[in-house]
Amino acid sequence: QQQVKQSPQSLIVQKGGIPIINCAYENTAFDYFPWYQQFPGKGPALLIAIRPDVSEKKEGRFTISFNKSAKQFSLHIMDSQPGDSATYFCAARQSHSGGGADGLTFGKGTHLIIQP
Amino acid sequence: DAGVTQSPTHLIKTRGQQVTLRCSPISGHKSVSWYQQVLGQGPQFIFQYYEKEERGRGNFPDRFSARQFPNYSSELNVNALLLGDSALYLCASSFSGANEQFFGPGTRLTVL
Repeated sequence: QQQVKQSPQSLIVQKGGIPIINCAYENTAFDYFPWYQQFPGKGPALLIAIRPDVSEKKEGRFTISFNKSAKQFSLHIMDSQPGDSATYFCAARQSHSGGGADGLTFGKGTHLIIQP
Repeated sequence: DAGVTQSPTHLIKTRGQQVTLRCSPISGHKSVSWYQQVLGQGPQFIFQYYEKEERGRGNFPDRFSARQFPNYSSELNVNALLLGDSALYLCASSFSGANEQFFGPGTRLTVL
């Protein structure tokens, strides 16, 4: 059972365009939603994260939009550059009152290509 | 500042063998999580350790085990290797289990 559904699977955008990657989740107990960027042969790198008490968060050229009622969130990359070409993963996590947390549940990833 | 380090970088084993993978978290971080990433998929959660105790476990068989040491480094052990265990094994470090997780470069395991 896939708890976080990510789309599209792949995306090609011209330089300067705004790629948008979408994720949807089922578990309403999720309370933390990060996005990771992964280059071939490397581990995922944390880009930006949001909690459900806000609807939008910006860090540099990266913006997360969050819709709690629809159980959806998305990543927007402003002024995209060829160096942004990578695989992007959304994830979600449920925290626990004891201070621990479950692991991250990842989407299947979006392979993004930014054409010069 | 050193990030998360993992060793070895690559490993080739045969079916039925056992393997141990190692992870050193970011200095000051007390939690380590392990993930398996099969080619073309997102990482899947295996274990989380915090202050040397297991805090969470994903849907993996008992062939997978882990431990965390007093210096917060961690080992992941996989027994009776199967072809399907071939994957990139990622270690993620966080201050506590509920904070941001930062990933290491991974260990690429190939089972022949």
